[in-house]
Amino acid sequence: AQKVTQAQTEISVVEKEDVTLDCVYETRDTTYYLFWYKQPPSGELVFLIRRNSFDEQNEISGRYSWNFQKSTSSFNFTITASQVVDSAVYFCARANSNSGYALNFGKGTSLLVTP
Amino acid sequence: DAGVIQSPRHEVTEMGQEVTLRCKPISGHDYLFWYRQTMMRGLELLIYFNNNVPIDDSGMPEDRFSAKMPNASFSTLKIQPSEPRDSAVYFCASSPIPGQGSGYTFGSGTRLTVV
Repeated sequence: AQKVTQAQTEISVVEKEDVTLDCVYETRDTTYYLFWYKQPPSGELVFLIRRNSFDEQNEISGRYSWNFQKSTSSFNFTITASQVVDSAVYFCARANSNSGYALNFGKGTSLLVTP
Repeated sequence: DAGVIQSPRHEVTEMGQEVTLRCKPISGHDYLFWYRQTMMRGLELLIYFNNNVPIDDSGMPEDRFSAKMPNASFSTLKIQPSEPRDSAVYFCASSPIPGQGSGYTFGSGTRLTVV
């Protein structure tokens, strides 16, 4: 399977700091989809964003922003002015037609935001 | 929409017993996925269905695992006999045709403990 790598296993920041979560993916496909999910301590998987491979526009949603760089196969996620409620495990994932669009997840980055 | 519904939320069973996990996908979603989450292996795909047909079950650990989707609104994942190493959180997810909608919606998961 084509790998999704989240090199940061754990990150700890103090509230109001900005934090960037890295995601690097492998791909041999021209068409694919990239995702970020949040898993809070309660355990559910919450969808944050989906990007298509042909759309390299960066996106901002409130305090969240995503930087998609096809040239480096990266899809990084930045939280601005972090809050305690941002504490969670964040997963990056990709999907493409060769795998029936099944999500292939990275190992996740555990983010702890302290007051 | 009620989202993807999984039952039970928690299951504790003794080694050797049969376990059945259930999933009701979102109406109209063509794809259904079963994932398993463990600390060691992260989120791994077990099997997925397209229009109720199993497409790829290469992630199913062994013959003790089986999955069915008798209709568009119901799927089961069965483990028989269960073993302690099967203890994990099992997620069901559904999705429309990729490129449509916001992405994959996960159920709340079933936390399975085999003692």
